[in-house]
Amino acid sequence: QQPVQSPQAVILREGEDAVINCSSSKALYSVHWYRQKHGEAPVFLMILLKGGEQKGHDKISASFNEKKQQSSLYLTASQLSYSGTYFCGTEFLNDYKLSFGAGTTVTVRA
Amino acid sequence: DSGVTQTPKHLITATGQRVTLRCSPRSGDLSVYWYQQSLDQGLQFLIQYYNGEERAKGNILERFSAQQFPDLHSELNLSSLELGDSALYFCASSPGQLSSGNTIYFGEGSWLTVV
Repeated sequence: QQPVQSPQAVILREGEDAVINCSSSKALYSVHWYRQKHGEAPVFLMILLKGGEQKGHDKISASFNEKKQQSSLYLTASQLSYSGTYFCGTEFLNDYKLSFGAGTTVTVRA
Repeated sequence: DSGVTQTPKHLITATGQRVTLRCSPRSGDLSVYWYQQSLDQGLQFLIQYYNGEERAKGNILERFSAQQFPDLHSELNLSSLELGDSALYFCASSPGQLSSGNTIYFGEGSWLTVV
């Protein structure tokens, strides 16, 4: 029951925006977003609990659509430091673990 | 630095051998998770412990085993190693169970190369 992420990859110029989607076929309890640089540990960005709230972290924000079982991550006015692979981790009620999508590789160019 | 410590950072071993990966969770965290990441692949969940007890199991091979000790550190044992076991193994920890709104924090990982 791994979530499906799209797109697989995106290339941006500095200052451009992008949206990464994460969908589940099963009812979600929460969605966790991480960014991983090559060969490094995934770094936690934010958590979305069911309820449709939207959160932000600098110019990176996310939303959670409970009806669609989907979360979206918004990269606004992208910076070079935003490059990396973004993973969504999904949690189902009483499941005790995060199941991760295949990741979306973001490349930001000057 | 997430506060999760993993050793060793790099390990090269031969097929058929056995290795042990060690993880110390963040101070105060009771849950430990193990994930496997093969080259350019996603994060595959292996197993989770909460305060010494196994709570969730993923597609962990029978050749692999893990445990969490009373001091909350955890070890992942990989035996009869095959070339396909080469991967980055992550340990992560969280204060409690995920459903209480916690998230998990990853260690730097242990690179395992089987030759």
